[in-house]
Amino acid sequence: GAGVSQSPSNKVTEKGKDVELRCDPISGHTALYWYRQSLGQGLEFLIYFQGNSAPDKSGLPSDRFSAERTGGSVSTLTIQRTQQEDSAVYLCASSLKAAQGQFFGPGTRLTVL
Amino acid sequence: QKEVEQDPGPLSVPEGAIVSLNCTYSNSAFQYFMWYRQYSRKGPELLMYTYSSGNKEDGRFTAQVDKSSKYISLFIRDSQPSDSATYLCAMMSGNKLVFGAGTILRVKS
Repeated sequence: GAGVSQSPSNKVTEKGKDVELRCDPISGHTALYWYRQSLGQGLEFLIYFQGNSAPDKSGLPSDRFSAERTGGSVSTLTIQRTQQEDSAVYLCASSLKAAQGQFFGPGTRLTVL
Repeated sequence: QKEVEQDPGPLSVPEGAIVSLNCTYSNSAFQYFMWYRQYSRKGPELLMYTYSSGNKEDGRFTAQVDKSSKYISLFIRDSQPSDSATYLCAMMSGNKLVFGAGTILRVKS
C-alpha cells in the first residue's frame, strides 16, 4: 500500500522567503507528526496532530513555524522568513493512532541560501 | 545530558556477524521503544516496536528492553551488506518520539 509521501523532495530558497512543505499520511492514520533532522541536532519533534487538531506544538522552534492539517489527512508545514539555520530535512510521520509505531515519509530537504 | 544516549559509531563488521546496537535512557516515563533503520537520503523505516521489558524477535532482528536498567538493544543476526545503514533508537514520550543520535553500521562483504 501507499506510504507517507512528502513534497517537494528538495527545496532551495533564499533567506527571508516563505516555504510550504506538504505531507500526505497513510490513509486512515489519524495521528500525524512533523520532525526535523539536521547534522548537529539529530531528529527533533516539531508538532503532533490528532485529526485536525494540534495538541502538542511544543517542538516548533519559533513563531515563524506553523502547521495545519485539513480533512484529517494532508498537512502543510509553513516556515516564514526562512533563516539559514532552518536548513534541514523535514520529516513527516503518521500512525494509526497515538502511541503506536510511526511511519515516516522520505522527507523534504530544505536548503536556505 | 541527553534523554537518550546512543553511540554514533561507525560500527564496522564482516558479513555474517551478529551485530549489537544499544541505547540508554534517563527518563523512566518512556514506555514504548522503537528501532528505525535509515538509509542515506531516505526517511527512517520502522523495524521493531516494543512495549514491555523482554525480547521481541522478527526474522533476523531481536529487540531487547530492560526497563530496570534503562537499556535497550537491537541484535541483527547473519548481517548482510544491505544492512549497512544508520540505526536509530526511539522512545515515546507522551505523543512524540525522542530519538538517539543513531549508530552508523557498515557490513563488509
